[in-house]
Order: sequence, then structure tokens, then C-alpha cells
Amino acid sequence: DAKTTQPNSMESNEEEPVHLPCNHSTISGTDYIHWYRQLPSQGPEYVIHGLTSNVNNRMASLAIAEDRKSSTLILHRATLRDAAVYYCIPRQAGTALIFGKGTTLSVSS
Amino acid sequence: DTAVSQTPKYLVTQMGNDKSIKCEQNLGHDTMYWYKQDSKKFLKIMFSYNNKELIINETVPNRFSPKSPDKAHLNLHINSLELGDSAVYFCASSQTLAARTDTQYFGPGTRLTVL
Repeated sequence: DAKTTQPNSMESNEEEPVHLPCNHSTISGTDYIHWYRQLPSQGPEYVIHGLTSNVNNRMASLAIAEDRKSSTLILHRATLRDAAVYYCIPRQAGTALIFGKGTTLSVSS
Repeated sequence: DTAVSQTPKYLVTQMGNDKSIKCEQNLGHDTMYWYKQDSKKFLKIMFSYNNKELIINETVPNRFSPKSPDKAHLNLHINSLELGDSAVYFCASSQTLAARTDTQYFGPGTRLTVL
């Protein structure tokens, strides 16, 4: 399994962009990079995933380094509801999600 | 409509008891999972079923027995409960286990407290 390194915590102000980094230097060439988040007292929820190209959806953007050893989840305008633990997960076929410690994002008004 | 539902939401019981947690998904998915989140908030896979067949069985005490009566349901039965079993248990489902692009949908969790 590919190892991931994420900051333990990050802070942001409401309405500002947030860049959440993740290092996954041992990722294999075919693993997709998934991001999930867990809001307080809830189950994890899917945010976004990608392989090589940058990806956008209604929740966030995912920027993947050219060597695929790191990626950055971008929340374009943080809201109070975005306060959560964010997990970066390299995904292999045939396996369940392997969660690390994640990054706890705090958002202030 | 709730996509992945679990019952009960809270479960408080005495050591040594046997208890079950139920999970249902209405997404038509083939694969279901049980994850455990301990007191340090660390999430770990326990089991995975694909079309009622056990696919993943991590190092979990055999006091834990999953049962899948059909592909929409995956229940977790725990025998002889111990203090260390106290945790939040999450059920999840996905279309398939095989695809690297597959997205998992999680239930709201069941908080188990063993006294």
C-alpha cells in the first residue's frame, strides 16, 4: 500500500481558498488518488479522485503533480461546513480504502 | 432517501454480551464494507462482501461475524463483547471492489459502547 503524508491540521478563513497537500511518493503508476472527508459525527464522504490530470467537480479541484508523488485538494471558497478531516487515499483495484490520519481543517468566520 | 443506513445509531451494552448492527444500502451496489473507527479516530477496514461473498477479511477477532443475506444488506454480529470493541462502526457500499475509480458511500455510523 502506498504511504501518504498529510499535515495534521490546517486553518482557513471563510470565503478563502484552501489548499490541502498530500505526499504519496510510493504510489504505483495505476493507483488513482482519492480524497474523502469526514464531517464531525458523520461517515466519510467522497470528494474527488484523479489519475494524472487535474480534476474539477462541484465540491473541489484536485491538482496532481506531474510525477504523481503529490497532490493538492483545492477548496475554492471555504465555508464553515467544510470543516472536516480530509483524507488522501491512493486507491488500488480490489482493495478497500486505506485511511491515514488525514488533515483536520478548521474554518473560521 | 438514505443511501446507506445503519441501525442502531447508538448501542450501549455490557461486556460479554452479543450484539448485532444492521446495514442496508439502496444504491444497487454489489460491494459492501464494514469499517471500525477507534477512539483515536483511526478508520480501518474490517470486512468486505461482494454479491454476498466475503472478499476481504482483515485481522479481526473471530468474535466478529459479518452476514450478508442479500447484496443490499450486510450485518455485523459481535459475540462476547469486550471493552476494546467500543468504537464507531461504519458500513459502506460501492458499485464494485475491482475498479480503482470506484466511489464508496458510507453510512452514518453506529457508536458502540461496551461497559
